[in-house]
Amino acid sequence: GIQVEQSPPDLILQEGANSTLRCNFSDSVNNLQWFHQNPWGQLINLFYIPSGTKQNGRLSATTVATERYSLLYISSSQTTDSGVYFCAGGSQGNLIFGKGTKLSVKP
Amino acid sequence: SAVISQKPSRDICQRGTSLTIQCQVDSQVTMMFWYRQQPGQSLTLIATANQGSEATYESGFVIDKFPISRPNLTFSTLTVSNMSPEDSSIYLCSVEDPGPPVKSYNEQFFGPGTRLTVL
Repeated sequence: GIQVEQSPPDLILQEGANSTLRCNFSDSVNNLQWFHQNPWGQLINLFYIPSGTKQNGRLSATTVATERYSLLYISSSQTTDSGVYFCAGGSQGNLIFGKGTKLSVKP
Repeated sequence: SAVISQKPSRDICQRGTSLTIQCQVDSQVTMMFWYRQQPGQSLTLIATANQGSEATYESGFVIDKFPISRPNLTFSTLTVSNMSPEDSSIYLCSVEDPGPPVKSYNEQFFGPGTRLTVL
């Protein structure tokens, strides 16, 4: 099955810093999503991005489908950005999740 | 996007008992999915539930342990049977956005999860 690798596993930032999270896939996927899991466990949809580039406020994402990777950019980080960021993708409607990047933003 | 609710939001159960988790969607959807998130871990797909057919289970998950019902296009249940402490997890249901537009694979949205502790 498809393997999803995320890096880095942990990231500590000072408030206001920028960061890039990466997601690599072992095979082609038809759907690809980025999520933020808040401290209460709720999964929040950030981007649905099987290919191309999207932006939403301070967040943006780019997927290069031909090279099987996706990047999530966080600019001007805030303490509320803390949590775990997951990427997930699949080829048959289901989603295979990476292990996540745990982000801590310090004031 | 679909609005998804789950019941219960959390529960503490004794080993050997069973718990049924409900997932309700505010619109009709074809595909519903059940995931498990063990403490400190990522999400793992348990099964895919389509209305009118048997659920399709992923490797490592069996129907006797996790029976699923899908009686209509807005509702599904997952039962965790004969529980042990290793079943302590967050259980989440998700649905594919039905659109429009209708695409081959659509964005998935997740319910708030059921936090289960087995003693």
